Amino acid sequence: QQQVKQSPQSLIVQKGGIPIINCAYENTAFDYFPWYQQFPGKGPALLIAIRPDVSEKKEGRFTISFNKSAKQFSLHIMDSQPGDSATYFCAANPAGTASKLTFGTGTRLQVTL
Amino acid sequence: KAGVTQTPRYLIKTRGQQVTLSCSPISGHRSVSWYQQTPGQGLQFLFEYFSETQRNKGNFPGRFSGRQFSNSRSEMNVSTLELGDSALYLCASSLGGSQEKLFFGSGTQLSVL
Repeated sequence: QQQVKQSPQSLIVQKGGIPIINCAYENTAFDYFPWYQQFPGKGPALLIAIRPDVSEKKEGRFTISFNKSAKQFSLHIMDSQPGDSATYFCAANPAGTASKLTFGTGTRLQVTL
Repeated sequence: KAGVTQTPRYLIKTRGQQVTLSCSPISGHRSVSWYQQTPGQGLQFLFEYFSETQRNKGNFPGRFSGRQFSNSRSEMNVSTLELGDSALYLCASSLGGSQEKLFFGSGTQLSVL
């Protein structure tokens, strides 16, 4: 019940395309859903996060869509750029345990010219 | 403001040895959490320390332990190393609130031969 399932495992899009990464969870105690971006040789960096009382959140070119009833959330990257090529992780944690994140398995995104 | 600093960056050990990894959080951050990242299991939560006390713990054997000092610096120890302990060990710091942003270091890459 602690799992967060992420798909696809890898994704190739052209510059300007809109890659979409999907995640699903089972634990209804989860109430905070961040997305992290990781470049090779670096630790993950927080991109954007959402709580279940909001259906969509946008920060710059990154948008999270959240469907509480389906227990699914997704990341959209608008106008993707080669510099967005990285591995993206969705995550979730229950209330009051910000540090105890359950991560998805990651999506390796490549943005081509 | 300096980021999260982890030392050493790389480490090679042999089976049966023990190892200590160090993490210096961002100044003012009181929470330090540790994660293990492997290609097979992804990112997994080890434990969190807040004000020198372990506040949360993941599902790892007792060979994995940690501590936090009064200046919030943290160390992680792994005793009796196994080949499967080869991984990138990431430290993250935060202020310690219920939905605080986690800031990750670049990690210590541990190889067990």
